[in-house]
Amino acid sequence: DGGITQSPKYLFRKEGQNVTLSCEQNLNHDAMYWYRQDPGQGLRLIYYSQIVNDFQKGDIAEGYSVSREKKESFPLTVTSAQKNPTAFYLCASSIGLRGMNTEAFFGQGTRLTVV
Amino acid sequence: GQQVMQIPQYQHVQEGEDFTTYCNSSTTLSNIQWYKQRPGGHPVFLIQLVKSGEVKKQKRLTFQFGEAKKNSSLHITATQTTDVGTYFCAGSGRGTDKLIFGTGTRLQVFP
Repeated sequence: DGGITQSPKYLFRKEGQNVTLSCEQNLNHDAMYWYRQDPGQGLRLIYYSQIVNDFQKGDIAEGYSVSREKKESFPLTVTSAQKNPTAFYLCASSIGLRGMNTEAFFGQGTRLTVV
Repeated sequence: GQQVMQIPQYQHVQEGEDFTTYCNSSTTLSNIQWYKQRPGGHPVFLIQLVKSGEVKKQKRLTFQFGEAKKNSSLHITATQTTDVGTYFCAGSGRGTDKLIFGTGTRLQVFP
């Protein structure tokens, strides 16, 4: 089946530890995104990538890092520098025509809890 | 930076009533998309509007893109309990794939 997969669905970590969230897509999409959603809130853009080996900061990139070494993979690391890491993290991908966004497909999300 | 606001933040309606959410961007958008997120789920794409003044319909849903390409609206006629969820608009400026989501409108429908 084609789609976008995030793992794990739930993740618990101790404060001060880095943690990496996985995002894989087999849709052959160029563009990939990471969003953070807090309870009752909208989606805030953390990082996005328009093409492999390139990525750009979103509105709330501090305390996060990403890599895009392969077209199908866009992992997000939540570092210990992120002051409030507990949240629902959503990964998305789209065909990525420059200047003309197309439909974004979302993964099921990872709910990260830092204790 | 680009900001996309939606109003209202919440809306509670009786089943059968109409519902409208409005989306306003601080910058001109190349296109606007609308998504629906059910409670506990992930956003699912509904539609994309590209042209200035464009209006599209999907059964009971009507989507509109403003003439200046800075605002949009989603209108649901005769709401049903299956319409419950949070509706987001999303857009990007010209020449970029940076997709910014609006703040969302949470719709609750009482039977």
